Amino acid sequence: DADVTQTPRNRITKTGKRIMLECSQTKGHDRMYWYRQDPGLGLRLIYYSFDVKDINKGEISDGYSVSRQAQAKFSLSLESAIPNQTALYFCAIQGSNQPQHFGDGTRLSIL
Amino acid sequence: GQQLNQSPQSMFIQEGEDVSMNCTSSSIFNTWLWYKQDPGEGPVLLIALYKAGELTSNGRLTAQFGITRKDSFLNISASIPSDVGIYFCAGQDSGYALNFGKGTSLLVTP
Repeated sequence: DADVTQTPRNRITKTGKRIMLECSQTKGHDRMYWYRQDPGLGLRLIYYSFDVKDINKGEISDGYSVSRQAQAKFSLSLESAIPNQTALYFCAIQGSNQPQHFGDGTRLSIL
Repeated sequence: GQQLNQSPQSMFIQEGEDVSMNCTSSSIFNTWLWYKQDPGEGPVLLIALYKAGELTSNGRLTAQFGITRKDSFLNISASIPSDVGIYFCAGQDSGYALNFGKGTSLLVTP
Protein backbone atom coordinates (compact mmCIF):
# COMPACT_ATOMS: atom_id res chain seq x y z
CA ASP A 1 0.00 0.00 0.00
CA ALA A 2 1.14 3.51 -0.77
CA ASP A 3 1.99 5.66 2.24
CA VAL A 4 0.30 8.70 0.66
CA THR A 5 -2.75 8.33 -1.58
CA GLN A 6 -4.15 11.19 -3.60
CA THR A 7 -7.54 11.14 -5.30
CA PRO A 8 -8.46 11.74 -8.00
CA ARG A 9 -5.28 11.24 -10.03
CA ASN A 10 -6.67 13.27 -12.90
CA ARG A 11 -9.51 15.77 -13.10
CA ILE A 12 -10.85 18.01 -15.84
CA THR A 13 -13.44 20.58 -14.87
CA LYS A 14 -14.88 23.93 -15.87
CA THR A 15 -14.26 27.43 -14.64
CA GLY A 16 -16.35 28.31 -11.60
CA LYS A 17 -16.80 24.76 -10.35
CA ARG A 18 -15.96 23.72 -6.80
CA ILE A 19 -13.36 20.98 -6.62
CA MET A 20 -11.98 18.91 -3.78
CA LEU A 21 -8.74 16.98 -3.86
CA GLU A 22 -8.21 14.33 -1.22
CA CYS A 23 -5.05 13.12 0.47
CA SER A 24 -4.85 10.21 2.89
CA GLN A 25 -1.88 8.61 4.65
CA THR A 26 -1.17 5.34 6.40
CA LYS A 27 1.91 6.40 8.37
CA GLY A 28 0.23 8.20 11.25
CA HIS A 29 2.32 11.35 10.73
CA ASP A 30 1.11 14.66 12.16
CA ARG A 31 2.41 16.97 9.45
CA MET A 32 0.71 17.18 6.08
CA TYR A 33 1.25 19.60 3.19
CA TRP A 34 -0.29 20.63 -0.12
CA TYR A 35 1.96 21.82 -2.96
CA ARG A 36 1.33 23.03 -6.46
CA GLN A 37 3.72 22.30 -9.35
CA ASP A 38 3.80 24.32 -12.54
CA PRO A 39 6.17 23.67 -15.45
CA GLY A 40 9.52 25.31 -14.83
CA LEU A 41 8.57 26.58 -11.38
CA GLY A 42 9.25 23.69 -9.05
CA LEU A 43 6.88 23.07 -6.14
CA ARG A 44 5.22 25.83 -4.14
CA LEU A 45 3.49 25.43 -0.79
CA ILE A 46 -0.26 26.12 -0.63
CA TYR A 47 -1.26 25.07 2.91
CA TYR A 48 0.08 22.88 5.68
CA SER A 49 -1.20 21.27 8.87
CA PHE A 50 0.66 20.03 11.93
CA ASP A 51 -2.31 18.37 13.62
CA VAL A 52 -6.03 17.77 13.34
CA LYS A 53 -7.84 21.09 12.77
CA ASP A 54 -4.51 22.95 12.58
CA ILE A 55 -4.38 24.97 9.35
CA ASN A 56 -1.60 27.26 8.14
CA LYS A 57 -1.22 29.27 4.95
CA GLY A 58 1.69 28.68 2.67
CA GLU A 59 3.21 30.80 -0.06
CA ILE A 60 0.25 30.67 -2.48
CA SER A 61 -2.94 30.08 -0.45
CA ASP A 62 -5.22 32.55 -2.26
CA GLY A 63 -8.08 30.78 -4.03
CA TYR A 64 -7.64 27.59 -2.00
CA SER A 65 -8.92 26.19 1.30
CA VAL A 66 -8.09 23.04 3.24
CA SER A 67 -9.61 20.81 5.88
CA ARG A 68 -7.93 18.49 8.39
CA GLN A 69 -10.71 16.69 10.26
CA ALA A 70 -8.71 13.53 10.89
CA GLN A 71 -5.03 12.80 11.29
CA ALA A 72 -4.92 10.63 8.20
CA LYS A 73 -6.74 12.98 5.82
CA PHE A 74 -5.99 16.44 4.45
CA SER A 75 -8.25 17.80 1.71
CA LEU A 76 -7.68 20.75 -0.62
CA SER A 77 -10.59 22.69 -2.10
CA LEU A 78 -10.87 25.15 -4.92
CA GLU A 79 -14.08 27.04 -4.19
CA SER A 80 -14.45 28.51 -7.67
CA ALA A 81 -11.87 27.11 -10.04
CA ILE A 82 -10.14 29.34 -12.57
CA PRO A 83 -7.94 28.33 -15.52
CA ASN A 84 -4.67 29.53 -13.95
CA GLN A 85 -5.18 26.92 -11.23
CA THR A 86 -4.47 24.25 -13.82
CA ALA A 87 -1.44 22.44 -12.40
CA LEU A 88 -0.13 19.33 -10.72
CA TYR A 89 -1.04 19.14 -7.03
CA PHE A 90 0.99 17.13 -4.54
CA CYS A 91 0.30 16.14 -0.99
CA ALA A 92 3.21 15.42 1.35
CA ILE A 93 3.49 13.95 4.83
CA GLN A 94 6.23 14.30 7.38
CA GLY A 95 7.11 12.45 10.54
CA SER A 96 9.12 13.85 13.39
CA ASN A 97 12.69 14.64 12.29
CA GLN A 98 12.05 13.08 8.88
CA PRO A 99 12.04 14.52 5.35
CA GLN A 100 8.76 15.17 3.57
CA HIS A 101 7.36 12.24 1.57
CA PHE A 102 5.14 12.92 -1.44
CA GLY A 103 2.11 11.32 -3.01
CA ASP A 104 1.85 10.69 -6.75
CA GLY A 105 -0.10 13.85 -7.43
CA THR A 106 -3.36 15.01 -8.98
CA ARG A 107 -3.32 16.49 -12.47
CA LEU A 108 -6.00 19.19 -12.54
CA SER A 109 -7.14 20.91 -15.71
CA ILE A 110 -9.61 23.79 -15.60
CA LEU A 111 -11.23 24.78 -18.87
CA GLY B 1 9.08 31.11 0.05
CA GLN B 2 12.46 31.54 -1.44
CA GLN B 3 13.27 30.09 -4.84
CA LEU B 4 16.58 28.37 -5.07
CA ASN B 5 18.88 28.71 -8.08
CA GLN B 6 19.29 25.23 -9.52
CA SER B 7 21.53 24.51 -12.49
CA PRO B 8 21.74 23.34 -15.09
CA GLN B 9 18.12 23.52 -16.20
CA SER B 10 18.55 20.46 -18.41
CA MET B 11 21.22 17.97 -19.35
CA PHE B 12 21.58 15.56 -22.26
CA ILE B 13 24.25 12.97 -21.64
CA GLN B 14 25.34 9.58 -22.86
CA GLU B 15 24.95 6.45 -20.81
CA GLY B 16 28.01 5.93 -18.64
CA GLU B 17 28.84 9.59 -18.18
CA ASP B 18 28.93 11.31 -14.82
CA VAL B 19 26.48 14.09 -13.99
CA SER B 20 26.74 17.06 -11.67
CA MET B 21 24.05 19.56 -10.68
CA ASN B 22 23.89 22.17 -7.95
CA CYS B 23 21.71 24.56 -6.02
CA THR B 24 22.52 27.90 -4.47
CA SER B 25 20.61 30.18 -2.16
CA SER B 26 21.03 33.63 -0.69
CA SER B 27 19.79 32.29 2.63
CA ILE B 28 21.17 29.71 5.02
CA PHE B 29 19.45 26.36 5.31
CA ASN B 30 19.63 23.74 8.04
CA THR B 31 18.71 20.88 5.73
CA TRP B 32 19.28 20.16 2.05
CA LEU B 33 17.27 17.51 0.25
CA TRP B 34 17.49 16.04 -3.22
CA TYR B 35 14.42 14.53 -4.89
CA LYS B 36 13.85 12.81 -8.22
CA GLN B 37 10.57 12.97 -10.08
CA ASP B 38 9.56 10.52 -12.81
CA PRO B 39 6.71 11.35 -15.23
CA GLY B 40 3.30 10.90 -13.61
CA GLU B 41 4.73 10.43 -10.14
CA GLY B 42 5.55 12.50 -7.11
CA PRO B 43 9.07 13.50 -6.04
CA VAL B 44 10.99 10.69 -4.38
CA LEU B 45 13.67 11.46 -1.82
CA LEU B 46 17.19 10.54 -2.92
CA ILE B 47 19.45 12.04 -0.27
CA ALA B 48 18.98 14.17 2.86
CA LEU B 49 21.79 16.33 4.27
CA TYR B 50 21.67 17.76 7.78
CA LYS B 51 25.13 19.20 8.55
CA ALA B 52 27.31 21.76 6.80
CA GLY B 53 30.10 19.99 4.98
CA GLU B 54 28.30 16.64 5.07
CA LEU B 55 28.99 14.35 2.12
CA THR B 56 26.51 11.51 1.69
CA SER B 57 26.24 8.73 -0.88
CA ASN B 58 23.34 6.58 -1.99
CA GLY B 59 24.60 4.05 -4.52
CA ARG B 60 25.84 5.98 -7.56
CA LEU B 61 24.56 9.25 -6.11
CA THR B 62 26.65 11.57 -3.95
CA ALA B 63 25.50 14.86 -2.47
CA GLN B 64 27.17 17.48 -0.33
CA PHE B 65 25.91 20.16 2.02
CA GLY B 66 28.00 23.26 1.36
CA ILE B 67 30.16 24.71 4.11
CA THR B 68 28.44 28.09 3.84
CA ARG B 69 25.04 26.31 4.20
CA LYS B 70 23.90 28.20 1.11
CA ASP B 71 24.55 25.55 -1.49
CA SER B 72 24.49 21.86 -2.29
CA PHE B 73 25.45 19.64 -5.19
CA LEU B 74 24.39 16.23 -6.45
CA ASN B 75 26.61 13.95 -8.52
CA ILE B 76 25.50 10.86 -10.39
CA SER B 77 28.24 8.54 -11.52
CA ALA B 78 28.10 6.17 -14.50
CA SER B 79 24.62 7.22 -15.59
CA ILE B 80 22.10 4.65 -16.83
CA PRO B 81 18.83 5.09 -18.77
CA SER B 82 16.68 4.83 -15.64
CA ASP B 83 18.36 7.96 -14.27
CA VAL B 84 16.16 9.94 -16.66
CA GLY B 85 13.86 12.32 -14.82
CA ILE B 86 13.70 15.68 -13.12
CA TYR B 87 15.91 16.29 -10.09
CA PHE B 88 14.92 18.86 -7.50
CA CYS B 89 16.91 20.35 -4.68
CA ALA B 90 15.06 21.63 -1.61
CA GLY B 91 16.32 23.65 1.31
CA GLN B 92 14.73 23.84 4.72
CA ASP B 93 15.48 26.43 7.38
CA SER B 94 14.47 26.19 11.03
CA GLY B 95 10.81 26.27 10.07
CA TYR B 96 8.57 23.83 8.31
CA ALA B 97 8.68 24.90 4.69
CA LEU B 98 10.70 23.38 1.90
CA ASN B 99 12.04 25.82 -0.68
CA PHE B 100 12.41 24.06 -4.01
CA GLY B 101 14.66 24.68 -6.96
CA LYS B 102 13.10 24.70 -10.43
CA GLY B 103 14.55 21.33 -11.28
CA THR B 104 17.17 19.80 -13.58
CA SER B 105 15.78 17.68 -16.39
CA LEU B 106 18.13 14.78 -17.16
CA LEU B 107 18.03 12.82 -20.39
CA VAL B 108 20.34 9.83 -20.84
CA THR B 109 20.90 8.46 -24.31
CA PRO B 110 22.14 4.89 -24.86
